[in-house]
Amino acid sequence: DAKTTQPPSMDCAEGRAANLPCNHSTISGNEYVYWYRQIHSQGPQYIIHGLKNNETNEMASLIITEDRKSSTLSLPHATLRDTAVYYCIVRDYSNYQLIWGAGTKLIIKP
Amino acid sequence: DGGITQSPKYLFRKEGQNVTLSCEQNLNHDAMYWYRQDPGQGLRLIYYSQIVNDFQKGDIAEGYSVSREKKESFPLTVTSAQKNPTAFYLCASSIAPGTAKGYTFGSGTRLTVV
Repeated sequence: DAKTTQPPSMDCAEGRAANLPCNHSTISGNEYVYWYRQIHSQGPQYIIHGLKNNETNEMASLIITEDRKSSTLSLPHATLRDTAVYYCIVRDYSNYQLIWGAGTKLIIKP
Repeated sequence: DGGITQSPKYLFRKEGQNVTLSCEQNLNHDAMYWYRQDPGQGLRLIYYSQIVNDFQKGDIAEGYSVSREKKESFPLTVTSAQKNPTAFYLCASSIAPGTAKGYTFGSGTRLTVV
């Protein structure tokens, strides 16, 4: 079973920040949080991952709470091309597998 | 550019036939994975391989088979024993199973049983 909980869908206006929440209350101390996105009928694309500290790259920022029970993916200036399903994933440390949930469908509106 | 190539993009199969989906990577990654995705659902792991000549069953391995004779290649065979094979199949790879690096995915093969 997936170790994360995400809202099934979200809307965001173009040009605004899109902030996608994720709960992972059972995460272990050595498990990473990963974010991927999947545009319709394509393979998922890696966005970012983190363990404890906040992370930023050219695509997004990842904010992890101090207790590590939740995180937020932030797309600072959303564009129409950011419309996709976003997956928050915790890696199973026993066999290194990524455990996927249903994700959040993010719709960017003009 | 390095990446993962899945072929074909669309595949039609008659009931009772086996079919093999191709997955090739030139990223020099040790680990490779096969996932199945049904409409509106997340990815479910079929098989994975952490090294050449070795592979393990995932959560939904029944009706599928794989081989890993070369580092670059991890073909998936959907057998006639798979009761509901119509789905989107995704292949992925990662540098090594124990690293924190993410996965790279192919563009997928959509299999339809007719």
